[in-house]
Amino acid sequence: NAGVMQNPRHLVRRRGQEARLRCSPMKGHSHVYWYRQLPEEGLKFMVYLQKENIIDESGMPKERFSAEFPKEGPSILRIQQVVRGDSAAYFCASSPAWGDSEAFFGQGTRLTVV
Amino acid sequence: GQQVMQIPQYQHVQEGEDFTTYCNSSTTLSNIQWYKQRPGGHPVFLIQLVKSGEVKKQKRLTFQFGEAKKNSSLHITATQTTDVGTYFCVEAGANSKLTFGKGITLSVRP
Repeated sequence: NAGVMQNPRHLVRRRGQEARLRCSPMKGHSHVYWYRQLPEEGLKFMVYLQKENIIDESGMPKERFSAEFPKEGPSILRIQQVVRGDSAAYFCASSPAWGDSEAFFGQGTRLTVV
Repeated sequence: GQQVMQIPQYQHVQEGEDFTTYCNSSTTLSNIQWYKQRPGGHPVFLIQLVKSGEVKKQKRLTFQFGEAKKNSSLHITATQTTDVGTYFCVEAGANSKLTFGKGITLSVRP
């Protein structure tokens, strides 16, 4: 049973370009979460999705950021017109059930904006 | 979940020493989860505590949930260099949403 798969592991974008980060949850998991981590900081919640639905996007910046989890395929976190401040590690996590269950994290995508 | 406080942010120990860290909340927690993140790595779930006064052990690691469910502790016996990393305690809130603090970063001198 493969774990949470994220790709790419490292992504370099120039200012103004778009970044697309992909996350495939563990098999059987229908809950996906995206977190952002700056150096020496904790993880900041961004968005919680289930298949075809955004459940909680209270941590998403109002502009340039969007997320989806289609019926088929991975969850996508999309950042348009990236700026240097978007440079961070972006982690995806999945869980099997509603409620207080453990989260399984992917290895993250390290985004660097130059 | 609400953010749980962990102080200090960094701690350094000599290999072989015991290590204890605490996290505290001003309000009652429904649960507490502990995660470990190695340098350059991703968070890995360690344990979940739900019951008042609950104690769980994993080899050299002992986790405890306070009687009032407002604090939790992690104790590591005889630290090893493999224990290096950042330990986060979080409450899994509605929708399993996790609110992370900065955690405590443990370094171990060989």
